[in-house]
Amino acid sequence: EPEVTQTPSHQVTQMGQEVILRCVPISNHLYFYWYRQILGQKVEFLVSFYNNEISEKSEIFDDQFSVERPDGSNFTLKIRSTKLEDSAMYFCASSEARHTNTGELFFGEGSRLTVL
Amino acid sequence: KQEVTQIPAALSVPEGENLVLNCSFTDSAIYNLQWFRQDPGKGLTSLLLIQSSQREQTSGRLNASLDKSSGRSTLYIAASQPGDSATYLCAPDNYGQNFVFGPGTRLSVLP
Repeated sequence: EPEVTQTPSHQVTQMGQEVILRCVPISNHLYFYWYRQILGQKVEFLVSFYNNEISEKSEIFDDQFSVERPDGSNFTLKIRSTKLEDSAMYFCASSEARHTNTGELFFGEGSRLTVL
Repeated sequence: KQEVTQIPAALSVPEGENLVLNCSFTDSAIYNLQWFRQDPGKGLTSLLLIQSSQREQTSGRLNASLDKSSGRSTLYIAASQPGDSATYLCAPDNYGQNFVFGPGTRLSVLP
């Protein structure tokens, strides 16, 4: 069964460093997303991406964050100048469409980011 | 701004029981609503997607209903099993806000 894959599964970094989280969405999906979940808290929307551009973003997704689809398969989230409060599980998701019966979200297993 | 709540926060039941998980949302302007399960330290697994025009959706022992006008959805699990133990999340897909997640219901099914 097709699945969303994420790497790395766990990354530890020093405060102030840059990290890149990578995702391979399901191959026929057109919409890509990043969510995050701070330990013990709700899953929060960060950004959605369609047709090589950001379609929606939340207040959390400020200039510290950026997304890119560098090739036909990968979707990346870059976090610059990491802060302690960036420590969280970051989930990538994809969907075939939006707002329809094929708008079902499929999630990866997540990348746990620990900022020291 | 959409707010999503889920009741109960936690539930412990013996194996074989039928149970209902509740999800409430404040803004009825939604496209779809999706239910997920999350195992500890893992990603989210999609269970069901209900479109706003639908009242119910079924998958195996799971049945989800949606009453958009009252801002409610329920997930019914029949004949619960220990393998159903997980956190269950609901997420309406909102006009202009993307999917907004509830805090989840943590379910334990005891053998």
